[in-house]
Amino acid sequence: TQLLKQSPQFLSIQEGENLTVYCNSSSVFSSLQWYRQEPGEGPVLLVTVVTGGEVKKLKRLTFQFGDARKDSSLHITAAQPGDTGLYLCAGARAGGTSYGKLTFGQGTILTVHP
Amino acid sequence: GAGVSQSPSNKVTEKGKDVELRCDPISGHTALYWYRQSLGQGLEFLIYFQGNSAPDKSGLPSDRFSAERTGGSVSTLTIQRTQQEDSAVYLCASSPGLAIDTQYFGPGTRLTVL
Repeated sequence: TQLLKQSPQFLSIQEGENLTVYCNSSSVFSSLQWYRQEPGEGPVLLVTVVTGGEVKKLKRLTFQFGDARKDSSLHITAAQPGDTGLYLCAGARAGGTSYGKLTFGQGTILTVHP
Repeated sequence: GAGVSQSPSNKVTEKGKDVELRCDPISGHTALYWYRQSLGQGLEFLIYFQGNSAPDKSGLPSDRFSAERTGGSVSTLTIQRTQQEDSAVYLCASSPGLAIDTQYFGPGTRLTVL
């Protein structure tokens, strides 16, 4: 069962273009995180959103958490080749034995061409 | 300061052999997580530890997989009688505690079963 669905799975764009990656679920999460992973390395946390409707900005990256806390999006403005990588969303649930456990989406492979 | 380290970085083994993967978390982090990642895909949760105990083992794919953590620090993931479908990158992460603390990932161990 795919609890978190990311789209698109692959994205190939030119430098300077804008893009949006989506992360959708039928389940409610207490928080949602976005990670970026480069080849041969582990994922690195970009942001954590915890409040429904929350918007966070990190330079050219804008993250939104849906009002119902079931979905999220990552928008990149004026993409640069250095943004190339695998972007992962991950949801966390509070309480019980699932506390702290992250459920990951399948990832979006972004390639930005110079 | 030192991050999460994993060893070996690469492991090639023959089908049917046992393997041990090691994770050294960030000093002082009480929570430790193991994930599995297939090529270019999202992460699949395997098991997590709070201290030396593992409240949630539901992600372990089969009884060939086991993990332990001693002294609240180093953890070992053991796969017995490896199969080709076990080939993947095994990632370890640690965090100061549970909840929505940031999980810091190691670089992973790439396991190839021939």
